[in-house]
Amino acid sequence: GENVEQHPSTLSVQEGDSAVIKCTYSDSASNYFPWYKQELGKGPQLIIDIRSNVGEKKDQRIAVTLNKTAKHFSLHITETQPEDSAVYFCSGGQGAQKLVFGQGTRLTINP
Amino acid sequence: GAVVSQHPSRVICKSGTSVKIECRSLDFQATTMFWYRQFPKQSLMLMATSNEGSKATYEQGVEKDKFLINHASLTLSTLTVTSAHPEDSSFYICSARDVAGGPVETQYFGPGTRLLVL
Repeated sequence: GENVEQHPSTLSVQEGDSAVIKCTYSDSASNYFPWYKQELGKGPQLIIDIRSNVGEKKDQRIAVTLNKTAKHFSLHITETQPEDSAVYFCSGGQGAQKLVFGQGTRLTINP
Repeated sequence: GAVVSQHPSRVICKSGTSVKIECRSLDFQATTMFWYRQFPKQSLMLMATSNEGSKATYEQGVEKDKFLINHASLTLSTLTVTSAHPEDSSFYICSARDVAGGPVETQYFGPGTRLLVL
């Protein structure tokens, strides 16, 4: 089955700088890769997703890149703000089947 | 749109009792809902996939007789933790797919239910 690895486990950046979180997956059949943001005590919130037919997707300060050959994908957050502080999870899956989640990255934005 | 609610948000119960958690899709129909468990500072672990009108599919290692799932309508799935024990204390989160209103793969998560078993 699918296995998703996520790095780093913790990330601290200065406000205004960029943050990058990386994930790898094992199943070449996986074609859907959403990213979720989870604040303390809350459920995960979908922030961006990408499908295997594209290599990059951007939504304002957030972008995701996908390298199918290497089986890795990354989340990029630019111009970070204090409200970006949270735990971020990458995930992967095939079509409408179940998602497998990475271990999570605790992002801290320092003012 | 695509709002998922859970009730209760937190529950404390005595060991040996059963607890029911509800997951509702408020503004869309969900033929498939998922139940996850999350321990402190850990990732989300899928427990089971709940399909409307049929039996749930449980992940390996999850006891189906202990975690009863019912998905009787297109907007409601319930998870019942039977004979709860302290080790069942966790954050339980559901998610749902909006099969008619958006990409079939997208899962929308509820706010979670924190269960504490004394």
